[in-house]
Amino acid sequence: GQQLNQSPQSMFIQEGEDVSMNCTSSSIFNTWLWYKQDPGEGPVLLIALYKAGELTSNGRLTAQFGITRKDSFLNISASIPSDVGIYFCAGPSGSARQLTFGSGTQLTVLP
Amino acid sequence: DSGVTQTPKHLITATGQRVTLRCSPRSGDLSVYWYQQSLDQGLQFLIQYYNGEERAKGNILERFSAQQFPDLHSELNLSSLELGDSALYFCASIRGPWGNTEAFFGQGTRLTVV
Repeated sequence: GQQLNQSPQSMFIQEGEDVSMNCTSSSIFNTWLWYKQDPGEGPVLLIALYKAGELTSNGRLTAQFGITRKDSFLNISASIPSDVGIYFCAGPSGSARQLTFGSGTQLTVLP
Repeated sequence: DSGVTQTPKHLITATGQRVTLRCSPRSGDLSVYWYQQSLDQGLQFLIQYYNGEERAKGNILERFSAQQFPDLHSELNLSSLELGDSALYFCASIRGPWGNTEAFFGQGTRLTVV
């Protein structure tokens, strides 16, 4: 099936710094979803993107749907300790019958 | 609270046994997706049901099966369990049949096979 390549795999940043991560696909996606997962918990939807070029914010989080429709970016500004977790991108594949996830970006925020 | 309920939260069982995991989707959602997440791994798609019918299959083992009932809750059955089946199992619900709308996840069931 289709795969999403997410990078970086992990990040260590200082509290207060900005963070950027991205997701790419070899195929065109019509939707990009960004999730955050805390240890032992289910993924929580952060932002949904539905249109190429779309830029959407949710508090300190901003995500963009790439113009080529093959990539998406998530930025976190002024990171805080509770931003720690794994961030996943996701999109529909397999004739939109599956929701495929990237491999995740593990974010650690250092005090 | 996502509105998606999974039970049980934890399950410990022996190799060779069979277990059933349960998922109740959000009110009004007709699709249920099942995912497996092994330690330090991503989310692997297993199977999708929409309004009682199977719509998509991922990397689901033959020892695993699922169904969705008329009240829209879904069950994932895992049989002849092996140590490698130990993982977090999540279900997600979506309003319609397609994966291009927002999916909401349950808290997961942590399965430990000993």
